[in-house]
Order: sequence, then C-alpha cells, then structure tokens
Amino acid sequence: EVQLVESGGGLVQPGRSLRLSCTASGFTFGDYAMSWFRQAPGKGLEWVGFIRSKAYSGTTEYAASVQGRFTISRDDSKSIAYLQMNSLKTEDTAVYYCARDLHTDGMDVWGQGTTVTVSS
Amino acid sequence: IQLTQSPSSLSASVGDRVTITCRASQGISSYLAWYQQKPGKAPKLLIYAASTLQSGVPSRFSGSGSGTDFTLSISSLQPEDFATYYCQQLNSYPRTFGQGTRLEIK
Repeated sequence: EVQLVESGGGLVQPGRSLRLSCTASGFTFGDYAMSWFRQAPGKGLEWVGFIRSKAYSGTTEYAASVQGRFTISRDDSKSIAYLQMNSLKTEDTAVYYCARDLHTDGMDVWGQGTTVTVSS
Repeated sequence: IQLTQSPSSLSASVGDRVTITCRASQGISSYLAWYQQKPGKAPKLLIYAASTLQSGVPSRFSGSGSGTDFTLSISSLQPEDFATYYCQQLNSYPRTFGQGTRLEIK
C-alpha cells in the first residue's frame, strides 16, 4: 500500500525549532518529488515547499512565508522527507501534511498530517 | 498567481448537480488540480490537468477549463460528497490554492 506518515509535531515555543518527518512506503521514494503543506485551524490549504527528486537535482522551492526559516531535505535511503522549521512563529501553528508530488499532475498521495502548535 | 473560487459555500441536496468555479489571476494553461477535503482528513486529489479524473474517483466528478477559468462539476451529489473543495494551480511557484468551497447538505 502506498502510504505517507508524518511525525514530529508538537507544542513548541516561539523562536524555537522543530523537525517534521514524512516516512514513505509502498513506492520507490527516490523517484518522486515531495511537497509540504499546512492548514491553520479553520483555514484553507497553504503550500509550504517542495523538493525535487535527485534525478532532477533535488533542489527546493519555498513559500515566501517560510523562506529562510524552513528547510526541506530528503534521505532516499530511508524513504523520508524532512521539514526543518526554525525561528517558529505563532502563525506557523497548523496541521502539516506531506504529499507525493507529480508536478503538473497534482499531489496524489497525502499523509494524515501532524499538528504543530507554536505558543508560549 | 491568485486563485479565486466561487461560491465560498454552497448548499445542495442529494442528487443535485453542482458547479464550482476557480478563476486564476493570470493564465495557467491547464495546470490546475481539484481536491476534496473532509473534516479532520487530508485532501484527496480528484482532478488534475484541469479535466483528467484521478484513478478511483467516481465519474460523477468532472473538470473543465483552461487559461484562467476552470470549473469542477458533480453531476449527482451523493452523501459522501459533502466536503470542502479546493483548486490548486501547478503552473508556477508558489503553488497557490483557492480559498475553498464548502459544500453543505441543504
């Protein structure tokens, strides 16, 4: 079964860091780009960023709201994508989702989400 | 690129046909996807490339459009279709979403 499972969420104080993981199974992880999204309480979906597969350089793109604070990386040997979040702000409070990214064909597999709460 | 969905909310009955519109602030060719999200769940891909039905999605869902104007239609609403629907443009970064359309039971 193709599956993504996020982990690492929790309560963190403003200014601190947190790293989320997205563990894939059921497909060849290294062949795919991966994206991260978030959804603040009661709000819509927001794209956070994206990492290409190694075949396409493994480079990243980010939303302006997280550029310079968040970093996406991947470990293809472990089938894990990471979202490193630094200098967290209260407005980063959200459910964070990872998804398999088919580029112009959309995000076809999503994780169940992990909740990040930034509060003092 | 800004995406504007209309309506923001919609009340309909089982068996109704409904249409949701997504307008882009500039042309995005056919690089548009539609997602369905139910409360407490992850989004689900319904349509990509504006009109291609994702595998496993019922044929009562359909999409159309190109350039700046797109629609998602559901031909005969079923109880499980009451959810929030989002469009997403895949033409350029950042990959923006519409604000969502909440489809409620009348």
